[in-house]
Amino acid sequence: NAGVTQTPKFQVLKTGQSMTLQCAQDMNHNSMYWYRQDPGMGLRLIYYSASEGTTDKGEVPNGYNVSRLNKREFSLRLESAAPSQTSVYFCASRGLAGGSNNEQFFGPGTRLTVL
Amino acid sequence: GENVEQHPSTLSVQEGDSAVIKCTYSDSASNYFPWYKQELGKGPQLIIDIRSNVGEKKDQRIAVTLNKTAKHFSLHITETQPEDSAVYFCAASMNTGFQKLVFGTGTRLLVSP
Repeated sequence: NAGVTQTPKFQVLKTGQSMTLQCAQDMNHNSMYWYRQDPGMGLRLIYYSASEGTTDKGEVPNGYNVSRLNKREFSLRLESAAPSQTSVYFCASRGLAGGSNNEQFFGPGTRLTVL
Repeated sequence: GENVEQHPSTLSVQEGDSAVIKCTYSDSASNYFPWYKQELGKGPQLIIDIRSNVGEKKDQRIAVTLNKTAKHFSLHITETQPEDSAVYFCAASMNTGFQKLVFGTGTRLLVSP
């Protein structure tokens, strides 16, 4: 099992450009999450998807959109990138809702720079 | 909403010493408290967690303690080794089906040989 995979690993954008960060998991997990990590601020939740077909805003959703394409895939889109969106982005997944497995499994991250 | 504070931001110890990282949370409804370890260039990985109905949990060299009254919890690493060097994050959430973790700001632990 590959776990949680993310593409691309690195990306440089110019202000105003758009892009989609891809995330996939092969653990048959219901819940998926997108976080951003900034120096000195820990990880902050952008959006999450409790199950296929549902998405909800997290702590810092402005400037982002998401799509839960199917149970495996959860993408994050920046429609018009801004320098404030320079960050490292992590996708995570978690097992069955209400189950005993509480662990969120994280991908390796995408390092995004917006010039 | 929930707010999690973590201290210290950096911690340097000698190999073999113990390390303690402390977190406080604000929402008394939080009942699940995991600790994640992040190595350079990788995503965070769960190392230990505790629920609010337990005061302490151990797993080999690592332990977590929880004081619900004071709303703080701590990570203890004994007999530290160089491979323990990493950034550690605490988090808190209500353990519902839609687990939403609120993370602390992280502690960079450096273990010197």
